[in-house]
Amino acid sequence: AQKITQTQPGMFVQEKEAVTLDCTYDTSDPSYGLFWYKQPSSGEMIFLIYQGSYDQQNATEGRYSLNFQKARKSANLVISASQLGDSAMYFCAMREGALQGGSEKLVFGKGTKLTVNP
Amino acid sequence: GAGVSQSPRYKVAKRGQDVALRCDPISGHVSLFWYQQALGQGPEFLTYFQNEAQLDKSGLPSDRFFAERPEGSVSTLKIQRTQQEDSAVYLCASSFGLEQFFGPGTRLTVL
Repeated sequence: AQKITQTQPGMFVQEKEAVTLDCTYDTSDPSYGLFWYKQPSSGEMIFLIYQGSYDQQNATEGRYSLNFQKARKSANLVISASQLGDSAMYFCAMREGALQGGSEKLVFGKGTKLTVNP
Repeated sequence: GAGVSQSPRYKVAKRGQDVALRCDPISGHVSLFWYQQALGQGPEFLTYFQNEAQLDKSGLPSDRFFAERPEGSVSTLKIQRTQQEDSAVYLCASSFGLEQFFGPGTRLTVL
């Protein structure tokens, strides 16, 4: 079974508008971490935001926020005030056992290609 | 400070050749990871090290793949007898905490 599911292969948004990129995950581990990475056409993966499974508040980093719905196993990325430079691939990833010394490996989804239109 | 660097950036190999991919992590980063990213897919975990110890190699697809980090710093991913299905971008990442910092990747093309 897929551990990370990103159902939107591609998304389009107008500059200055907000956009939500979907991510659902599957784990039986009570301790896990969720990450979002951006991959521009240059290829380098850029860390955006992190949410721990025990965090009470939704994570925010500048224009990025994570809509964490634990019961639904959902961790959607919200980008506010989109900019042309936000056009890229976006990957959701999970690390299981994050707080208990488990493996540090990340499991990635297939990604969503975001295009910001002027 | 410098980020994670990888070399070569591009590698073309004939089927059956051996290749070696190098990763220089951020100085002081304890953990080092290798991922394989096929075209249009997300990265897939291959293996990771804490210092010189290889703690998880569950993602290595076959015994043709071998990774080492003998002094706990630079790492090399070696692929023996390359096959066409090995064509992908190989990403290296390092960390000293939760966030993994990625290098630019090595694009391997096997003809």
